[in-house]
Amino acid sequence: EAGVAQSPRYKIIEKRQSVAFWCNPISGHATLYWYQQILGQGPKLLIQFQNNGVVDDSQLPKDRFSAERLKGVDSTLKIQPAKLEDSAVYLCASSLLAGSYYEQYFGPGTRLTVT
Amino acid sequence: AQSVAQPEDQVNVAEGNPLTVKCTYSVSGNPYLFWYVQYPNRGLQFLLKYITGDNLVKGSYGFEAEFNKSQTSFHLKKPSALVSDSALYFCAVRDLMDSNYQLIWGAGTKLIIKP
Repeated sequence: EAGVAQSPRYKIIEKRQSVAFWCNPISGHATLYWYQQILGQGPKLLIQFQNNGVVDDSQLPKDRFSAERLKGVDSTLKIQPAKLEDSAVYLCASSLLAGSYYEQYFGPGTRLTVT
Repeated sequence: AQSVAQPEDQVNVAEGNPLTVKCTYSVSGNPYLFWYVQYPNRGLQFLLKYITGDNLVKGSYGFEAEFNKSQTSFHLKKPSALVSDSALYFCAVRDLMDSNYQLIWGAGTKLIIKP
């Protein structure tokens, strides 16, 4: 079974530029998550999708971050404009459903450096 | 407020010795508890979970964890450590009273196994 795919793996941009990350979840997984992980910290949920609808985006900085999951499969996370504090690893995860006992499966992440 | 504490930033263990990585939690309702492992430059991998039933749960790579409701703890254990177990370990909890089933993450514990 193929895992969660993410691209790119690494990205370096200057502040105020824009960037986009792509995620392809495990086939058949209805729930998709985007996390931000800053070095030395646990993951912070940015947004959760159930199929192509948003379940929770309470911690997404909506003035600069946006995400979509068209057709309920692939997802894209965008940052525009980027700030220095956005430097982090962006993790995509998926789970079969949003039920509380389902574990999440993570992709390898995209390491973003904003200079 | 919901929270997860991993009181040790780093745990050092000699190869072949037993290891314990500690986790305590605070939630309003009953918890579902998870352990994940993160190897360098890779995404998080699911290790094990407690949903209900036996307080001792077994997971991948010989790891197990014990749920203790009175002490609100879910410590990760392994009888005999391997050098390859060296990684970053995260404890996470879901509060069953949270309708979004959001995972609350600990800050992580770095496990170093010395030959």
